[in-house]
Amino acid sequence: DAGVTQSPTHLIKTRGQQVTLRCSPKSGHDTVSWYQQALGQGPQFIFQYYEEEERQRGNFPDRFSGHQFPNYSSELNVNALLLGDSALYLCASSQDRDAETQYFGPGTRLLVL
Amino acid sequence: AQSVTQLDSHVSVSEGTPVLLRCNYSSSYSPSLFWYVQHPNKGLQLLLKYTSAATLVKGINGFEAEFKKSETSFHLTKPSAHMSDAAEYFCVVSALTDSWGKLQFGAGTQVVVTP
Repeated sequence: DAGVTQSPTHLIKTRGQQVTLRCSPKSGHDTVSWYQQALGQGPQFIFQYYEEEERQRGNFPDRFSGHQFPNYSSELNVNALLLGDSALYLCASSQDRDAETQYFGPGTRLLVL
Repeated sequence: AQSVTQLDSHVSVSEGTPVLLRCNYSSSYSPSLFWYVQHPNKGLQLLLKYTSAATLVKGINGFEAEFKKSETSFHLTKPSAHMSDAAEYFCVVSALTDSWGKLQFGAGTQVVVTP
């Protein structure tokens, strides 16, 4: 049974560019959450998707947007990249009936130059 | 609103000795509490979860945590550290009635295990 997968593993972008990160949830899971983990810090909640809708959002600007597809996979998009967006982006999946028990993927490390 | 405070940013232990990682929480609702571990360049792995069924929670790899409401604490322990326990550990709170499982992470505790 595959766990949560994310692609790509690493990414280098320059300021002002746009990036798309992808996530496939664990089999049987229908809810996807995204987190940003800056170096030396704990992960910060970006947003959560359920039934293809953004259900809740953390304190992140509108430059951060997402999408969930009918097969429950999800994308995180970041526009107008800033140096401060450099971080490890983590995707977590869960079942709606137990949304708080989340299983994390290995993450995508984004470096903005 | 909820939050967690991990009282130690770094903990160093000798192999075979006990490990104690301290966490205090704050929550407006009855919280669910978690401990996650993150090995270098890896994702987060769930160690254990507390949801009010029992105050002493057993997790994977010999770890356990005790929920103490009076002290608002959820400390993680392991009787005997192994070299493979070297990693970053995060205490996490979720107030499900408030936010559909939005997880609030502590700042993390880096554990070093010496031979």
